[in-house]
Amino acid sequence: GAVVSQHPSRVICKSGTSVKIECRSLDFQATTMFWYRQFPKQSLMLMATSNEGSKATYEQGVEKDKFLINHASLTLSTLTVTSAHPEDSSFYICSGGSQTAPNEQFFGPGTRLTVL
Amino acid sequence: QKEVEQNSGPLSVPEGAIASLNCTYSDRGSQSFFWYRQYSGKSPELIMFIYSNGDKEDGRFTAQLNKASQYVSLLIRDSQPSDSATYLCAVNMNGNNRLAFGKGNQVVVIP
Repeated sequence: GAVVSQHPSRVICKSGTSVKIECRSLDFQATTMFWYRQFPKQSLMLMATSNEGSKATYEQGVEKDKFLINHASLTLSTLTVTSAHPEDSSFYICSGGSQTAPNEQFFGPGTRLTVL
Repeated sequence: QKEVEQNSGPLSVPEGAIASLNCTYSDRGSQSFFWYRQYSGKSPELIMFIYSNGDKEDGRFTAQLNKASQYVSLLIRDSQPSDSATYLCAVNMNGNNRLAFGKGNQVVVIP
């Protein structure tokens, strides 16, 4: 099946630093990648959608200058949380979609970010 | 109104019983509906998807879709302790493949 990896799985950083999270599709070409955030005991909230080679589309209320998304290839997307603050501590999950399965998304294992 | 609503609280079922989960959605244009299972600290994993009105069965799981009522449900037959998890309903938004998730229902299967 379609496999998506994320790195790192867990990161702890100081307030004010930037953190980059990588999302890779291992056995398929992810024409579209999605980034979600999940706070404890809450559901997944879509942050942005990115298509390979073009700018990401951000959901309402998500700051594009704070959450930088790059989707430079069909197998790699990155999310950079700039100047992270404690309120950015969350579980960040990416997913990939492909043209061969247009209605499905394949989720990565997630990245737990803790900002001190 | 939220795009996807799952209003039931935690559901406790004895092992071997049927667990029933419900979900309503607001966008009449939605065409694709998904049920995900999420274990604590893990990312969601797809259980099944349904596109057409009616029932769809996959092993112990049955999804039911009623587009007129904007309602989708999931039945888990012969519940097992390993089924204890949070179940998330997800719906395509605006006819594209962006997903809106419900807040989830926690299921606890009691041995």
